[in-house]
Amino acid sequence: EDQVTQSPEALRLQEGESSSLNCSYTVSGLRGLFWYRQDPGKGPEFLFTLYSAGEEKEKERLKATLTKKESFLHITAPKPEDSATYLCAAATPAAGNKLTFGGGTRVLVKP
Amino acid sequence: DSGVTQTPKHLITATGQRVTLRCSPRSGDLSVYWYQQSLDQGLQFLIQYYNGEERAKGNILERFSAQQFPDLHSELNLSSLELGDSALYFCASSPGGRANTGELFFGEGSRLTVL
Repeated sequence: EDQVTQSPEALRLQEGESSSLNCSYTVSGLRGLFWYRQDPGKGPEFLFTLYSAGEEKEKERLKATLTKKESFLHITAPKPEDSATYLCAAATPAAGNKLTFGGGTRVLVKP
Repeated sequence: DSGVTQTPKHLITATGQRVTLRCSPRSGDLSVYWYQQSLDQGLQFLIQYYNGEERAKGNILERFSAQQFPDLHSELNLSSLELGDSALYFCASSPGGRANTGELFFGEGSRLTVL
């Protein structure tokens, strides 16, 4: 069974304090690894897709990387508006086009 | 704004009742997915439709059913509601088929409270 695990569950950062979120996956044949941002009471908002080990993608203060077993979301010099829950998800051929989500990391950035 | 529209945004009902949640996908998207998100379970896949046909099924209870109509909107029907069905229900869409790049675009969700 495909599994996606995120750590830590929660992260409290001071503004400007860089950190990394981990997403480890155990799946059969990764088709894509996705990162989403979710604000309270809102739907997940797509951030990145990574397809192969070694791939990196950046958007403002966020940078996502992928290895054969895990993905990292690096937050550089975060601001309070980066506070959200970050979700990662895996797509596999066996699962069709559906995504299997991890439990998420709740990030709080204090000014 | 993802382009996916869900109604109603909030719904409060009693145990044993039946509700219908509605989703309009992004223009041009053929695939619709339903997910349930509760505090202790995270985002759980329920069911997927592609161009009117059921494509994949997840942990969807027998009390729940869904369909996708010719105009591609979808409805999720929840019946004999229990307290544990209280959750956020999300609809997501994607192009599907050859145009699919994998990412899903989520609506704002329907918050169901069962009392």
